[in-house]
Parts: sequence; C-alpha cells; structure tokens
Amino acid sequence: DAGVIQSPRHEVTEMGQEVTLRCKPISGHDYLFWYRQTMMRGLELLIYFNNNVPIDDSGMPEDRFSAKMPNASFSTLKIQPSEPRDSAVYFCASSLVRAFDEQYFGPGTRLTVT
Amino acid sequence: QKEVEQNSGPLSVPEGAIASLNCTYSDRGSQSFFWYRQYSGKSPELIMSIYSNGDKEDGRFTAQLNKASQYVSLLIRDSQPSDSATYLCAVILYSSASKIIFGSGTRLSIRP
Repeated sequence: DAGVIQSPRHEVTEMGQEVTLRCKPISGHDYLFWYRQTMMRGLELLIYFNNNVPIDDSGMPEDRFSAKMPNASFSTLKIQPSEPRDSAVYFCASSLVRAFDEQYFGPGTRLTVT
Repeated sequence: QKEVEQNSGPLSVPEGAIASLNCTYSDRGSQSFFWYRQYSGKSPELIMSIYSNGDKEDGRFTAQLNKASQYVSLLIRDSQPSDSATYLCAVILYSSASKIIFGSGTRLSIRP
C-alpha cells in the first residue's frame, strides 16, 4: 500500500488567499484525521471523520477552517482566508477500525502564509 | 497544568545504554496510551501502544503504564543512533466525545 498521501507537500501563499490541502487515506481505513503541528502548540487534532462523516470538529480553530470528505478515498482541509498564524505543518492520518488506534500519518503539508 | 506533559529535553544517552522517557497526564479517565517517534522533518510513527497497567515489551522497546500515578513511560534498551528523534506521548480519553491529546515531545539524542 502507498500509505497516506497528501498534497501539496509545500505551500507558500499570501495572507488572504484560499488554501486547500488534500489527503488520500489508506484504502479500507474507516477513520481519517487532520492535525496541525507547530513549535508553539505541538501536534493538535483539528477534525476527524468516520466513514466519511465528521465526528468531532472541536479542534478547528476558526470558521476560516473547513474540512470535507466526499468519499472514502479523499478529504480536503480548506483555509479561507489564510493568515500568517496558520503557518504550520498539516498532517493527515488514517486508522483502520477504532478511532485513534494505530494511526498512520501522511508526510504532511508545510504551509507558509506570508 | 497541561493535559499531557513531557520533558522537552534534549535527553542525551550514550549508545548502548537505556533511554527512559516519561509522560504524565491529568485526566484519570484516560484509557489508551501511545508512543510515537518523529524524526526531524518527518511525520509521527507509532511505535508502542499500551492500555492496561504494567509493562509491555516489543523488541528493544518497553512501555510502562501506571494509572494510579497517571504516568506512562517508554524504555529503549541498547540505544542506537537511529533512535535519535522526538518521542511523542499520546493519551486518549473515550467519552461522549473521544479525544486525543499529544504531549509536546521529548527530544532524544543518542551519542556514539
């Protein structure tokens, strides 16, 4: 299996622009997670899905953030409008059966907002 | 008080020695505990999970859980330079809304 796939790997954008991050989970995994990692705040869970349905989005920092999972093999995290404080590494992860157990992380997207 | 606390390090250990990493958590309802390894510039990788009190061994790694004292530790025997990384402790609370909390990580350096 190719593992969790994320794109783009790096994104540099200007403040105010829309940013869309993409994720393809491991085939057959029921759970998909979006995380953000910064030096200041560490690794934080933003939102997670079970069978394409959002279960908990309490970690989404603001209304500027939104996430969708239109099917079992694709999810997006959108930031609109982006701000410099959104600069971070965004990870997508998936797990097979039980939420949070044995999560497999993608390579991450490094986002820089100038 | 942070929900999951780890010493940020760096923890420097000579090659071949035992590295001991510690993590404490505040919520007594926590039920599942994980150790992730993260190399610089890479994504976290699960190395150990533990659910009940006691020790769990996997190769050179041993996870120890003490729910009464609210700590979980990771021992790495025969430390190798390839073990140099940041180790993240993760705690899961299953309730009406399950959540996972990561510690800030301990940076481990194995010196030859």
